[in-house]
Amino acid sequence: AQSVTQPDIHITVSEGASLELRCNYSYGATPYLFWYVQSPGQGLQLLLKYFSGDTLVQGIKGFEAEFKRSQSSFNLRKPSVHWSDAAEYFCAVGNTGGGNKLTFGTGTQLKVEL
Amino acid sequence: GAVVSQHPSRVICKSGTSVKIECRSLDFQATTMFWYRQFPKKSLMLMATSNEGSKATYEQGVEKDKFLINHASLTLSTLTVTSAHPEDSSFYICSAAGGGTEAFFGQGTRLTVV
Repeated sequence: AQSVTQPDIHITVSEGASLELRCNYSYGATPYLFWYVQSPGQGLQLLLKYFSGDTLVQGIKGFEAEFKRSQSSFNLRKPSVHWSDAAEYFCAVGNTGGGNKLTFGTGTQLKVEL
Repeated sequence: GAVVSQHPSRVICKSGTSVKIECRSLDFQATTMFWYRQFPKKSLMLMATSNEGSKATYEQGVEKDKFLINHASLTLSTLTVTSAHPEDSSFYICSAAGGGTEAFFGQGTRLTVV
C-alpha cells in the first residue's frame, strides 16, 4: 500500500529565508507525486506535480520540488519565503493507474515570521 | 486547469437530519470522483471512489449506509450524510478526474452538526 510521511508537523521560518519541506513516500512502482497548499478553511491548491521526466519540478508561487528515487523523497523548496506562504502543505502520492486516487501525508504547518 | 465546484461551502444541520453535498465538474467530464474527509488539524482521508453510473467503492472503515454517494452523471457526484451526528462534523472535499493523470479538487464543505 502506498504511504506518505511528512516528518515535520510545524516549521517556522523568517520571511526571506529559504524553505524546505520534507516528504518521503512508499510505493511499489514509479509514483505520481504532488504538493498541495491549503489555507485555513479552504480547499487544496496544487503547487506542483511529478509524473516522469526531469526530477526537478517547477511549480507555482516560486516553489520547486526534487524527486529522488534513491531516497524515496520529494522535498518541496522555495528560495525566499513570503509571509503569504504561511499555510498547511500536503504531500501526496497517486496511484499509477492514473494518479487520481491520492494518499496524503499528515501535512506540515508553515509559519512565517516577519 | 479544470474547475470543480463544491456546494455548499458551509452547512450547519441538526443532529439526526441528512445533508447533501454536491461536487460538479464545470468544464470537463469526470469519469471518476473521489470524496475525502479532513478532521481538524489532520490530513485528508479518502472515503470513497465513485465512477459514473456504478456503485461507489468505499474505503475500509467508512460506513456506506451513512455516507451515501451518487455519481449519476459525468459532471455531478453527491455525498449525503444521513442521520448526521456531531461526530460527523468535518471538512469534506471532493476531487474529479476525467481520465487524465490528475484529479482536480473542489473548494471543500465545512459540515457542522449541532
